[in-house]
Amino acid sequence: GAVVSQHPSWVICKSGTSVKIECRSLDFQATTMFWYRQFPKQSLMLMATSNEGSKATYEQGVEKDKFLINHASLTLSTLTVTSAHPEDSSFYICSARILGINEQFFGPGTRLTVL
Amino acid sequence: KQEVTQIPAALSVPEGENLVLNCSFTDSAIYNLQWFRQDPGKGLTSLLLIQSSQREQTSGRLNASLDKSSGRSTLYIAASQPGDSATYLCAANTDKLIFGTGTRLQVFP
Repeated sequence: GAVVSQHPSWVICKSGTSVKIECRSLDFQATTMFWYRQFPKQSLMLMATSNEGSKATYEQGVEKDKFLINHASLTLSTLTVTSAHPEDSSFYICSARILGINEQFFGPGTRLTVL
Repeated sequence: KQEVTQIPAALSVPEGENLVLNCSFTDSAIYNLQWFRQDPGKGLTSLLLIQSSQREQTSGRLNASLDKSSGRSTLYIAASQPGDSATYLCAANTDKLIFGTGTRLQVFP
C-alpha cells in the first residue's frame, strides 16, 4: 500500500517551454502533497506544500509564478515548470501524506533536463 | 528553523564491517525521524521511521536510534554488503520533512 507514482520519469525540453509533472497517490487519498527538488550531489529541498482544493504554500525563495502547483483532487497533484531554463534542470520528487498520519510516501522522481 | 546535518559525508568500507551513520537536528519538537536510502539517479526508499515517543527501530540488519533531547539519531548497519552502497538520508519531521545532507556509503568486496 501507499504507492505514489510520478509521470513522466524523465523529460528533456527546450529552454522557454513549459513542462508538467504529475504526482498520483495510487491506493490512498492524499490530503497533502509535497514537491521537492534535488540538485546533483545535494539533498532534497522542499519547494512547496499543497493541500487538496487550496493554494499551495511555497518555501522561501521558490517562485510561485514559475512553479505552478495544482492539487485538484485527493489523488493528483501537478507541478508545472513554466518557461523552463537550464538552471531549472533538476530531479523533482513528490510525496503524499494521508490526513492524520505524519508520514510521507514518496514518488520515484522526475528528471528534468532543459536544453 | 530546523537544520539537519549528517556525519560523515562519505564513507568507504570493506564488506562485513559494522557501520554507524549519524544525524543531528536542531529542533527537538519533531513528530518522527525517518531514514532513507537513495541509489544514484533514483528516488527514495524508506528504511526506518522512528516516532518521537520511540527510542529505536529495527529492520533486518538496520537499527535506528533516536535521542530527541540531544537532537541525534544514528543508523547502524550490521555486516555491510556491497549492495548497501548508496546515499543515506535522514529527515526530521516537524510537519515538514527537513532532509539532512546525506552520507554517501561505498562498501567494497
